[in-house]
Amino acid sequence: DVKVTQSSRYLVKRTGEKVFLECVQDMDHENMFWYRQDPGLGLRLIYFSYDVKMKEKGDIPEGYSVSREKKERFSLILESASTNQTSMYLCASSSTPWGAEGGNTIYFGEGSWLTVV
Amino acid sequence: AQTVTQSQPEMSVQEAETVTLSCTYDTSESDYYLFWYKQPPSRQMILVIRQEAYKQQNATENRFSVNFQKAAKSFSLKISDSQLGDAAMYFCAFHGSSNTGKLIFGQGTTLQVKP
Repeated sequence: DVKVTQSSRYLVKRTGEKVFLECVQDMDHENMFWYRQDPGLGLRLIYFSYDVKMKEKGDIPEGYSVSREKKERFSLILESASTNQTSMYLCASSSTPWGAEGGNTIYFGEGSWLTVV
Repeated sequence: AQTVTQSQPEMSVQEAETVTLSCTYDTSESDYYLFWYKQPPSRQMILVIRQEAYKQQNATENRFSVNFQKAAKSFSLKISDSQLGDAAMYFCAFHGSSNTGKLIFGQGTTLQVKP
């Protein structure tokens, strides 16, 4: 079974703190993603990475950065947490090439609830 | 830019009955994929069903089936013989022709199943 593991399920941080959300996948997937989930807005893509040390901005990258030093690990960084970043964060991974039969599945982690106070 | 719209924030269905969740999308691409994901209270996203746009036949997975209307850009999910375990939030998602695995999600529909 593919497994995408997010290191923290629940975090409470103070405004201005630097926050790291870690994600590890065990299927040698090239692509990894960070989404943010908010009520009424669905999931919105923050950043994604299609290879080690490669990253691309998603739809809402402001206030976030990412790091991918190893293929299996993709970290989301909040440089200075703010209350409007209180949300649930979902990590996901998928293989390449996308589109091949059976090769177009995206696997999600269980999510990290972040509260910034 | 592609968009996905789920216009039903909440739906309810009686156990054993059938319910249809709506999804519309907008794209100028001709080759793409559509998905329905289920998110139970545990928050683990579960793939329910997927549809390749080039396939005319509607996808089915046991009690789950889709009505894919490419010209109308509509992709609804039908759940037959609803079970209590079907209660969850359901997301419609779009993937374009780029080779990235990047999904665009709708707002979600919360499905309540009444015993």
